[in-house]
Amino acid sequence: AQSVTQLDSQVPVFEEAPVELRCNYSSSVSVYLFWYVQYPNQGLQLLLKYLSGSTLVKGINGFEAEFNKSQTSFHLRKPSVHISDTAEYFCAVSVLNRDDKIIFGKGTRLHILP
Amino acid sequence: NAGVTQTPKFQVLKTGQSMTLQCAQDMNHEYMSWYRQDPGMGLRLIHYSVGAGITDQGEVPNGYNVSRSTTEDFPLRLLSAAPSQTSVYFCASTTSGSGDTQYFGPGTRLTVL
Repeated sequence: AQSVTQLDSQVPVFEEAPVELRCNYSSSVSVYLFWYVQYPNQGLQLLLKYLSGSTLVKGINGFEAEFNKSQTSFHLRKPSVHISDTAEYFCAVSVLNRDDKIIFGKGTRLHILP
Repeated sequence: NAGVTQTPKFQVLKTGQSMTLQCAQDMNHEYMSWYRQDPGMGLRLIHYSVGAGITDQGEVPNGYNVSRSTTEDFPLRLLSAAPSQTSVYFCASTTSGSGDTQYFGPGTRLTVL
């Protein structure tokens, strides 16, 4: 079975500072990896996803993530955060070629400090 | 395109009442899912459907029913509401295949007294 662990439930960071949100997954087969963002009082929307190819994936709003197969990680990074990045971020995994469930992590709440 | 729509946005129920949360999508997606979101628990899958007439249980199906008579609609029924079902409910849809983007509705905030 697949699982996703987001190592931090909350991350405070000062505005314009860099941030990394950590995600580790567990799977015995190849997976697809996703980061979704949830702004206050909204549904989730896709930030970026890794399907294959280059292990560095660029997404919307200046975010990027790096797939590390040996460490089974897919950490999300941004070099300089803004107050508008205040949101909850979810890492997710689905199994290659299996047409059903996607497993979400428990989420990391990003607090931007002025 | 309206995307994924959910109604109502807010609902308060008394224990034992029943209700249906509505979900519709206009993107001709085959796959639709219902999740509940609780603090510190992330999103947990309730039920999902891989096409009209086909549904299956997710991680937390007890107390909920679904049906999928059309591609567009995927209602979630609470048969006899309990306080443990107080949550925010999200509907999502995707084309097909495990690598595709899920599109989420805005959510329904349900309180059961």
